[in-house]
Amino acid sequence: AQSVSQHNHHVILSEAASLELGCNYSYGGTVNLFWYVQYPGQHLQLLLKYFSGDPLVKGIKGFEAEFIKSKFSFNLRKPSVQWSDTAEYFCAVIGNTNAGKSTFGDGTTLTVKP
Amino acid sequence: DAGVIQSPRHEVTEMGQEVTLRCKPISGHDYLFWYRQTMMRGLELLIYFNNNVPIDDSGMPEDRFSAKMPNASFSTLKIQPSEPRDSAVYFCASSLAGAMLSYNEQFFGPGTRLTVL
Repeated sequence: AQSVSQHNHHVILSEAASLELGCNYSYGGTVNLFWYVQYPGQHLQLLLKYFSGDPLVKGIKGFEAEFIKSKFSFNLRKPSVQWSDTAEYFCAVIGNTNAGKSTFGDGTTLTVKP
Repeated sequence: DAGVIQSPRHEVTEMGQEVTLRCKPISGHDYLFWYRQTMMRGLELLIYFNNNVPIDDSGMPEDRFSAKMPNASFSTLKIQPSEPRDSAVYFCASSLAGAMLSYNEQFFGPGTRLTVL
């Protein structure tokens, strides 16, 4: 069975600080990896995704994530956060034998202080 | 494309009443998912369909919950009878399987905020 672990439940940063949110997954085969963002009162939206190729993936709004296969990790980064990045962030994984079912992490709430 | 469409956006009902939530996935998508989100339990997958066929309903909390997908463009989630603990935001999402067992991202609808009094 596939599983996802997000290490930080709540992160508080000041504007312009750098961000790194941890995500580790458990699955023995080929995976597709995703980060979603949920702004307050809204639905989940895709930030970025990794299928294959370059393990450093760039997404929208200056976010990037690095897939490290040996560590089963897919950490999300942003060099300088803004107040508008305040949201909940979800890491998700789909294994190639899991018939399309995503497993989501519990989410990390990011609060950026102006 | 209009994206995933859900209705109603808000529903307030009394305990014991039947509630029906509706979802129209993105045209051409072959997967449809129903999620429930609460502060206490976070995001939970209730059930998902592939080509209108239910694949995994292990997340459906109890027999009071049922879901159908009569065709590729419509799905319903029904709660009968509803209880206050069913209060949550219910999201529908759809996705399209890629080539060679590659699965694409899910597109979420705006959600239905259900309050059961």
